[in-house]
Amino acid sequence: QKEVEQNSGPLSVPEGAIASLNCTYSDRGSQSFFWYRQYSGKSPELIMFIYSNGDKEDGRFTAQLNKASQYVSLLIRDSQPSDSATYLCAVNHFGNEKLTFGTGTRLTIIP
Amino acid sequence: DVKVTQSSRYLVKRTGEKVFLECVQDMDHENMFWYRQDPGLGLRLIYFSYDVKMKEKGDIPEGYSVSREKKERFSLILESASTNQTSMYLCASRPPGAGGYTFGSGTRLTVV
Repeated sequence: QKEVEQNSGPLSVPEGAIASLNCTYSDRGSQSFFWYRQYSGKSPELIMFIYSNGDKEDGRFTAQLNKASQYVSLLIRDSQPSDSATYLCAVNHFGNEKLTFGTGTRLTIIP
Repeated sequence: DVKVTQSSRYLVKRTGEKVFLECVQDMDHENMFWYRQDPGLGLRLIYFSYDVKMKEKGDIPEGYSVSREKKERFSLILESASTNQTSMYLCASRPPGAGGYTFGSGTRLTVV
């Protein structure tokens, strides 16, 4: 079992709809959770992080964390064509400086 | 904002050459990392460093070495480049204890 799992997609969402990206992790000691966006040919950029159970909102983005279910998600409201990218989920175990990444979900927003 | 600078955006090298990839960060971060990214395989950790002159192997260190003589600079060395080292190489830095990585812009290396 992979430590961090994401559906590779592609996930296609109409413009203006809500895109929902999901990630599960296996290490119950994981404490920090990150979402990165990566455009084709570019490096990943951090868009959200969450440490506590519940929701965290930042503009059109909402990160949701459920530690009991070992599940973290990213919602993108009012999806735009510029949101088309690969989204990487990453987790961090307390005391460990490394992040463990999923392989990413490719999201396509259809105009 | 933290800036992580990788010296080359694109690089073409010949099989057997010794290749140096340079990475510099400007925020005094202790932690620095080298990954390679390949389609379908995701990000794979090659080496990381917690401090000057400290280094630890990641998941795929074979064929690579690193150098960290100064806090801001972390170099990846391909001792004898091979075609299976053709990849996107990403450097990242991270402050201790919290926060995510900041990545450099990446170096796309082609070994011919």
